[in-house]
Amino acid sequence: GQQVMQIPQYQHVQEGEDFTTYCNSSTTLSNIQWYKQRPGGHPVFLIQLVKSGEVKKQKRLTFQFGEAKKNSSLHITATQTTDVGTYFCAGPKGSGGSNYKLTFGKGTLLTVNP
Amino acid sequence: DAGITQSPRYKITETGRQVTLMCHQTWSHSYMFWYRQDLGHGLRLIYYSAAADITDKGEVPDGYVVSRSKTENFPLTLESATRSQTSVYFCASSESRQYQPQHFGDGTRLSIL
Repeated sequence: GQQVMQIPQYQHVQEGEDFTTYCNSSTTLSNIQWYKQRPGGHPVFLIQLVKSGEVKKQKRLTFQFGEAKKNSSLHITATQTTDVGTYFCAGPKGSGGSNYKLTFGKGTLLTVNP
Repeated sequence: DAGITQSPRYKITETGRQVTLMCHQTWSHSYMFWYRQDLGHGLRLIYYSAAADITDKGEVPDGYVVSRSKTENFPLTLESATRSQTSVYFCASSESRQYQPQHFGDGTRLSIL
């Protein structure tokens, strides 16, 4: 079945350093979503990418969708302690009417040393 | 998100007991989901529902039962709890239009002794 792999599993940075997490799918994705989960919290939707090669920015966060629509990345510039949490990518399990089900990557846990 | 609430937030029970986790959403979203989150496994889909009275199995359905008699409620029942079902359970919902994000509840932390 479809798999969504995410690397690295953990990343510890000093405040001010950059951070990147990568997401790879075994199949072509119609879209990819990114979520953030703060420690003790619940996943919160960040953004969705739909187009091949798409790049979207949210302040210090930059999201990219690969040209082949099988990989994606999230890059955080100059991390802050508020960036701490687990970042998940998720792709639809099926196509057409079944694509509301998501396959989540296992997430990247980001910790930031102040 | 205030629109989706889970109860209880914390639950401790014993093996063999039946326990029901509640999920209620106020957005009238068609789709609802139950996930469990365990270290090393990320979020795994247990059951999902496309509408009232329509439910289907996800990735890890064994030992769980769901129902959806009303659009806004999607309870998850562990019929005979086992220690392996100790986990954090998240309910989520989404709109029926294509490519919609999922909105998660605060979760239920369930411990089975």
